[in-house]
Amino acid sequence: EIVLTQSPGTLSLSPGERATLSCRASQSVSSSYLAWYQQKPGQAPRLLIYGASSRATGIPDRFSGSGSGTDFTLTISRLEPEDFAVYYCQQYGSSPRLTFGGGTKVEIK
Amino acid sequence: QVQLVQSGAEVKKPGSSVKVSCKASGGTFSSYAISWVRQAPGQGLEWMGGIIPIFGTANYAQKFQGRVTITADESTSTAYMELSSLRSEDTAVYYCARDQEQQLVPGSDAFDIWGQGTMVTVSS
Repeated sequence: EIVLTQSPGTLSLSPGERATLSCRASQSVSSSYLAWYQQKPGQAPRLLIYGASSRATGIPDRFSGSGSGTDFTLTISRLEPEDFAVYYCQQYGSSPRLTFGGGTKVEIK
Repeated sequence: QVQLVQSGAEVKKPGSSVKVSCKASGGTFSSYAISWVRQAPGQGLEWMGGIIPIFGTANYAQKFQGRVTITADESTSTAYMELSSLRSEDTAVYYCARDQEQQLVPGSDAFDIWGQGTMVTVSS
């Protein structure tokens, strides 16, 4: 099973700042089958990025994903008030062993 | 656009079973995998397994093998997740989620559509 480790656990930033979230895999994620989700309290997760760098439908271009192999990054170029949430990475290249990372909380500083 | 609507909250005794439903409306159901993901209070996301309704065969995460059964009824566009031998650690919100693209194996894609979640509480 591929273990995904997200860092930092919590990121304290102000609106307008840049957020950089990391997701490290215990082994290589095949074909960059890596996704990112945003989750707000009481809501289901929302798909942001798939295939490591492709934005899902309707996702603003301030969200971008990069990386390959074992190291992946989600970048939010300028934080908007609605971006403060928990973010999860997910790998789906080793079915039936799809796994999620533990999450990074982006909170208002 | 496809929507997934789940059944309501459940309270169960330890040792019992729970069955949660997930009804799809507004689009194609049978050829897209439906997965089940759970989230314990204050914790992260955990994939339990999935099914492609048109094939009828489910894949399960090793942790849940033997304790979870995922089925689908094409006639009603509804997927089900049944978890048995419940214990307090199974208290969680259970989500169904649909693959972004048509795949041959459940659990091999990102999830672009999610149900609203079903709270399952296991307590004596």
